[in-house]
Amino acid sequence: SQKIEQNSEALNIQEGKTATLTCNYTNYSPAYLQWYRQDPGRGPVFLLLIRENEKEKRKERLKVTFDTTLKQSLFHITASQPADSATYLCALASRGFGNEKLTFGTGTRLTIIP
Amino acid sequence: AAGVIQSPRHLIKEKRETATLKCYPIPRHDTVYWYQQGPGQDPQFLISFYEKMQSDKGSIPDRFSAQQFSDYHSELNMSSLELGDSALYFCASSQGGVGNQPQHFGDGTRLSIL
Repeated sequence: SQKIEQNSEALNIQEGKTATLTCNYTNYSPAYLQWYRQDPGRGPVFLLLIRENEKEKRKERLKVTFDTTLKQSLFHITASQPADSATYLCALASRGFGNEKLTFGTGTRLTIIP
Repeated sequence: AAGVIQSPRHLIKEKRETATLKCYPIPRHDTVYWYQQGPGQDPQFLISFYEKMQSDKGSIPDRFSAQQFSDYHSELNMSSLELGDSALYFCASSQGGVGNQPQHFGDGTRLSIL
C-alpha cells in the first residue's frame, strides 16, 4: 500500500541553523510533491511545489529537493527562526486528468530553539 | 486576499445526531476538497468536487455525504454521528484541481461528539 513517511515526529533545531526535514514514500509515483506548514488548530498553508522532473526549488529561505530514484524529498529552512516552529507536512499528488487529492505524510513538528 | 471560509468553527453534537459543515472556496476556484484530521494525525482525504460534480472519493463513511452548489460553496452532511467522528474537518479549494496547483485550506471546523 502507499506510504508516506516523514523522518521524525519532532525535530528541535537551534535558531540560525538549517532545519532539514525528510519525506520518503513507497508504492507511489507522484508527479508533484508539495510542502505545507500547519500551526496548531489551523489549516495547512501551502509553501512549495516541486514537479517530478525538477530536482530543486527555492523560495526565500526555503529549499526543496525531489529525488524520484530515492523516492525522497528534502525540505530545508535556512537561518531558522523561532517563528518557523510549526508542523510541516509533505503531500503527494499523482499525474491525473481530473482533480487530484493530496495524500499527506505523517508530519514533522519542528521547534526552533532561541 | 480572500481565503477559504468554513463554518461553523466549532460544533458540538451528541451521538446519532446529524451535522452540516459549510465551505466557501476562494472566488474563482472551481475545486473543493474535504479532509478529516484526527488528533495528532495527518489530514485524510474524504471527497472532492470539480465544477459541482463529485470528482474523487476517499475514506468517507457512507453516513457522510457532500455536494457543491451552483455558487461553488460546498456542504458536508454527516449523519448518525459516532464518537470517532470527533476531528477537525478541513475544506480546501484550488483552481483547476490538478496536482500542480496548491490547495488553499480553511481553518477547519472542530467537531466534538459527546
